[in-house]
Amino acid sequence: DADVTQTPRNRITKTGKRIMLECSQTKGHDRMYWYRQDPGLGLRLIYYSFDVKDINKGEISDGYSVSRQAQAKFSLSLESAIPNQTALYFCATSDPLAEQETQYFGPGTRLLVL
Amino acid sequence: RKEVEQDPGPFNVPEGATVAFNCTYSNSASQSFFWYRQDCRKEPKLLMSVYSSGNEDGRFTAQLNRASQYISLLIRDSKLSDSATYLCVVNRGSYKLIFGSGTRLLVRP
Repeated sequence: DADVTQTPRNRITKTGKRIMLECSQTKGHDRMYWYRQDPGLGLRLIYYSFDVKDINKGEISDGYSVSRQAQAKFSLSLESAIPNQTALYFCATSDPLAEQETQYFGPGTRLLVL
Repeated sequence: RKEVEQDPGPFNVPEGATVAFNCTYSNSASQSFFWYRQDCRKEPKLLMSVYSSGNEDGRFTAQLNRASQYISLLIRDSKLSDSATYLCVVNRGSYKLIFGSGTRLLVRP
């Protein structure tokens, strides 16, 4: 079984709709992240959380919100989707106690906003 | 200017070739460095960390030059399965990973 899972894997929605992307992990890591990836731009950080009660904005948080319901779950919401939020979204986790703190990614969610 | 810059490629090489990618970073406070590999439409996966003294993992060698602020990845004896996008990643401290936009490698038979 995958250590980091994301649902849905693909989603088509319309402008103005609210949608939620879910992320779950079995790695036992405290830190979780949401990124988006656009062609030619690399991955950009949307939000991150170091613990259940901790939420922090990344570089492109406008138009997004998150919820850290439990150590293993971190969800990303688009309150009112717009076409330029069409992208590939990745959830990631990391262990701050690791010698080199690398990140482990989920399989991604492809989102198309019409 | 992007904080982490890579040549997007593609680098198109025959099987067995040696290929090298470079990456430059602009923040001198960067603390640790990585190469990730991303296959088409898949998630990035850690390929290797990059240590100051340089390090090797099989056919892959990574080098770091802090003075010039660049990182390199050398792949020897390229395999078809090496075809992917290689992401240069810099850790500015704590959680903050900065990703380059990637260098695409195509290995042909």
